[in-house]
Amino acid sequence: QLHLQESGPGLVKPSETLSLSCSVSGGSISSSGYSYYWDWIRQPPGKGPEWIGSIFHSGSIYYNPSLKSRVTISVDTAKNHFSLKLSSVTAADTAIYYCARRQNSAHDRNNWLDSWGQGILVTVSS
Amino acid sequence: DIQMTQSPSSLSASVGGRVTITCRASQTISNYLNWYQHKPGRAPNLLIYAASSLHSGVPSRFSGSGSGTHFTLTITSLQPEDFATYFCQQSYTVPHTFGQGTKLEIK
Repeated sequence: QLHLQESGPGLVKPSETLSLSCSVSGGSISSSGYSYYWDWIRQPPGKGPEWIGSIFHSGSIYYNPSLKSRVTISVDTAKNHFSLKLSSVTAADTAIYYCARRQNSAHDRNNWLDSWGQGILVTVSS
Repeated sequence: DIQMTQSPSSLSASVGGRVTITCRASQTISNYLNWYQHKPGRAPNLLIYAASSLHSGVPSRFSGSGSGTHFTLTITSLQPEDFATYFCQQSYTVPHTFGQGTKLEIK
């Protein structure tokens, strides 16, 4: 069974860069067959989730335009993990950050997040 | 961005009861709509994908319907483990957007 686990600092100072990693076990991040993307999502306190971005193992990447200027997502297939960097953080970036696997339908463009990590709370504060 | 509006934001129901949660999209998204269940401190779980397809291992008391801009998640015969937060997500276009969530509490 696939397991995803986020890791990284729980406290980041304003204006610094938030860096998180998602370790994938129980499956390869570069699995053939199904087309899987690897996503980052966050949920600020008291708000709904926000999609941050997505990466394919070959390096194809999609970002949320609202965060694009500050976000970098990368993948390391050798270590079977993918990473998130968010620069110039402010208090508004305080959230629980989740990594997830996105599965694409074999029949159309439908896609869904079929496996998630339990999330990591990142607080931006001096 | 496509806005996803969920209602209600919270509701209470009894074990054995039935609830329906609604999700509306600000523009048509065909059937590109997913539902998730989330309990605090745990990984969210996929319930329904493509508006009405039940994810593997999810009990049949969960069902989804809808197309275009109006979607519903129905839970019948509520079990104690069903009391959680539910949110919808459109996967029609980037950025994928989520509803604000519906918190289901025990009456």
